[in-house]
Amino acid sequence: NAGVTQTPKFRVLKTGQSMTLLCAQDMNHEYMYWYRQDPGMGLRLIHYSVGEGTTAKGEVPDGYNVSRLKKQNFLLGLESAAPSQTSVYFCAIRRTSGATDTQYFGPGTRLTVL
Amino acid sequence: AQSVAQPEDQVNVAEGNPLTVKCTYSVSGNPYLFWYVQYPNRGLQFLLKYITGDNLVKGSYGFEAEFNKSQTSFHLKKPSALVSDSALYFCAVRDPSNDYKLSFGAGTTVTVRA
Repeated sequence: NAGVTQTPKFRVLKTGQSMTLLCAQDMNHEYMYWYRQDPGMGLRLIHYSVGEGTTAKGEVPDGYNVSRLKKQNFLLGLESAAPSQTSVYFCAIRRTSGATDTQYFGPGTRLTVL
Repeated sequence: AQSVAQPEDQVNVAEGNPLTVKCTYSVSGNPYLFWYVQYPNRGLQFLLKYITGDNLVKGSYGFEAEFNKSQTSFHLKKPSALVSDSALYFCAVRDPSNDYKLSFGAGTTVTVRA
């Protein structure tokens, strides 16, 4: 998983509960991304960061917040979970090295909101 | 805005036969195109990418993809499919002028029967 870890791997929430998903990288990559994967819809970008202290909205940001206080960590927060947020969440980093410029993904977090 | 279409939800082939997974794209400017594979309960793994140069790109696990600018396509191919190639395949396009965000297709499930 290209040095990208996600915590937790699985979580079940009740509607209205809050939680934070952690993405951690063991390298020094500037760009980090949060996606959600839903059947038949591919991956959709929630939020992303182009460096420490920066965040930006993606395609489906509503109901989520993010923070990048440390370069190695990108946090995704759900303040008040809704059943529509039941999904698999993937974090990715953008690796640039010479001719390489590719996104690599973590193992995912499966979230169920009841 | 950039977008990707994968016209087939499922592709079924017999082991040993050629495998093709179709992808068409829409992007302003020069496209950066990617293929990823997802095995059950796993994250996305990078297969190959096209940025510039030769229209036939070779990637991991014996896969290759052909970039066709006139048809705006980037089909994934493998000359002889294996049962272990059964997985979910995603095509993605990146807009280098837009913070390197990826837009994914909905995915194609490939089943290779023995």
